[in-house]
Order: sequence, then structure tokens, then C-alpha cells
Amino acid sequence: EVQLLESGGGLVQPGGSLRLSCAASGFSFSSYDMRWVRQAPGKGLEWVSSITASGTGTYYADSVKGRFTISRDNSNNTMYLQMNRLRAEDTAVYYCARLLLTSKYCDYWGQGILVTVSS
Amino acid sequence: EIVLTQSPGTLSLSPGERATLSCRASQSVGSYLGWYQHKPGQAPRLLIYDASNRASGIPARFSGSGSGTDFTLTISSLEPEDFAVYYCQQRSNGPPTFGGGTKVEIK
Repeated sequence: EVQLLESGGGLVQPGGSLRLSCAASGFSFSSYDMRWVRQAPGKGLEWVSSITASGTGTYYADSVKGRFTISRDNSNNTMYLQMNRLRAEDTAVYYCARLLLTSKYCDYWGQGILVTVSS
Repeated sequence: EIVLTQSPGTLSLSPGERATLSCRASQSVGSYLGWYQHKPGQAPRLLIYDASNRASGIPARFSGSGSGTDFTLTISSLEPEDFAVYYCQQRSNGPPTFGGGTKVEIK
């Protein structure tokens, strides 16, 4: 069974940092591109960042470029999102998700982790 | 970036009724559009990819159609578990973007 489990969320002050982790199991993690998607309170889904299966390709939404860094450790089946210089507008539930092998849609998602940026 | 506009914002229907949800793109996305179902406190679920392909395990009552800029998700007969928010997402050009969502609620 495919499972994705996010961790590392919580309350942080504006300007602070957090690192989210996404532990994957039940599939060949190193074969799949992965993605982070977030949902701010009362809002819709927003793509944050993507990473290729090998980790050599990384992509970011303009809203987080230069502040967030996506990475992965295929030996430990884990993806990360390092979030620096956090802003109030980064407050959201963050989901990690697996992309289909054949196209860029997310076929499995984690349950999400809440990040709150507030003083 | 491509903007996706979903309508209506809310759809009030009864179980057994047909639901028709719309997603319009600000420019052509070809057939590169998908649909997700999202319930509060749960992970989103991929329903349809590339306009009309049902994802693995998705019941046949869900169908997608359209191309270019206009797309439709149809639920032929609503089951109690279908009341949720539905999002479209394009993968055509630039960053992937989502629509604002359509909430399907019980009338």
C-alpha cells in the first residue's frame, strides 16, 4: 500500500524556518517525481514545488522561489521541503504527493501537515 | 501562468442527481487537465487525468470531457460519499495550476 507521511510542521514566527519531511513507503520511491502542494485556510490548492525522481531537477512556484528548497533522499525514501524566511501567507496545510509515472498529476497524497506562521 | 476558473462555486444537489462541474482555462491546455476530489481533513484524490481518463479505482459514474479551454466533470448519479470539493488542475504550460474549486453539497 502506498503511504506518504508528512512531518515537521508547527508554529513558527515570521522570518523563521521549518523543514518538512515526507516519508514514503509501499512503492519504488526513487522511480517517481514528487511534489509539494499547499492549501491556505479557506483557500484552494496551490502547487509549491516539484522534484524529479533522481533529484536533479527542482521547480518552484514564484511565491516561494529563493526561500524554499526541495530535496530528496532516495536511500531513505524521504522528500524534504526546507522553508526559510517564512511569511504569514505561507500558513497552510502542506501535502506531499506522488506524480503519475506517465503524466504530471498527483495520484497519491499524504494527509497533510499544518504550518502556521504567526507572532 | 494559466488561470483556471471553476463554476459554479457551489452546487446543491440531492443523492441520485447528476452533477456537472465546469473548468475554463485562460488559454488552451490541450487535453492536459485533471480533476481531484477533496474532503475536509483528507488527502485529495485524483479522479480524472488528461481530460477524460479515469484514475485507478475511480468509479464509472465519474467522467471527464473537453479540450482546449473548456472542460467538464460529470458525476452521473451522486452517491453520499461524493459530496466534497472538486478541483481541476492543468499540466500544459508553465507551472501547474489549480482552479478555485467547486463545492458539491447536499441539498
